Amino acid sequence: QKEVEQNSGPLSVPEGAIASLNCTYSDRGSQSFFWYRQYSGKSPELIMFIYSNGDKEDGRFTAQLNKASQYVSLLIRDSQPSDSATYLCAVSGQGAQKLVFGQGTRLTINP
Amino acid sequence: KAGVTQTPRYLIKTRGQQVTLSCSPISGHRSVSWYQQTPGQGLQFLFEYFSETQRNKGNFPGRFSGRQFSNSRSEMNVSTLELGDSALYLCASRSTSGADTQYFGPGTRLTVL
Repeated sequence: QKEVEQNSGPLSVPEGAIASLNCTYSDRGSQSFFWYRQYSGKSPELIMFIYSNGDKEDGRFTAQLNKASQYVSLLIRDSQPSDSATYLCAVSGQGAQKLVFGQGTRLTINP
Repeated sequence: KAGVTQTPRYLIKTRGQQVTLSCSPISGHRSVSWYQQTPGQGLQFLFEYFSETQRNKGNFPGRFSGRQFSNSRSEMNVSTLELGDSALYLCASRSTSGADTQYFGPGTRLTVL
């Protein structure tokens, strides 16, 4: 079992709709959860981080964490073509020294 | 603040050679981590340095090594290069006070022929 699992996609969403990206993790001791966006040929860019159960909103992005279910998700509202990228879920334990990444979900927003 | 910088951006080497990559973290950040990204394995943690000490190491062979200098700049070295070492090598810096988020540099694309 992989430590962090994501649906690799591709996930295709029409412009203006809500894109929902999901991630599960196996280590119950995980404490910090991150979403990165990576455009083709570029490095990962931090979008959101969340530490506590519940929702965290930042603009069009909402991260959701459920530690009991070992599940974290990212919602993108009013999706734009510029949101087309690979979204990486990352998890770390205490001290946050090491990030464990999922394989990423490729998202395509169709105009 | 300036972001994380990595040099060189691109490298082409042949099997058996060695390579050194450099990373300068965000000003004030004392933690530097290195990751390898390949299409097959995704993003994998190599090691993390803080105050010139390696604090954590991933599951990579001893050919992969690193160090950190007193100004927090870091280098990683790969000796006896293999074809499978072709990858994007990413450096991330983290402030050790407050939020523990890691910020990535642009990466070094290494091609081993």
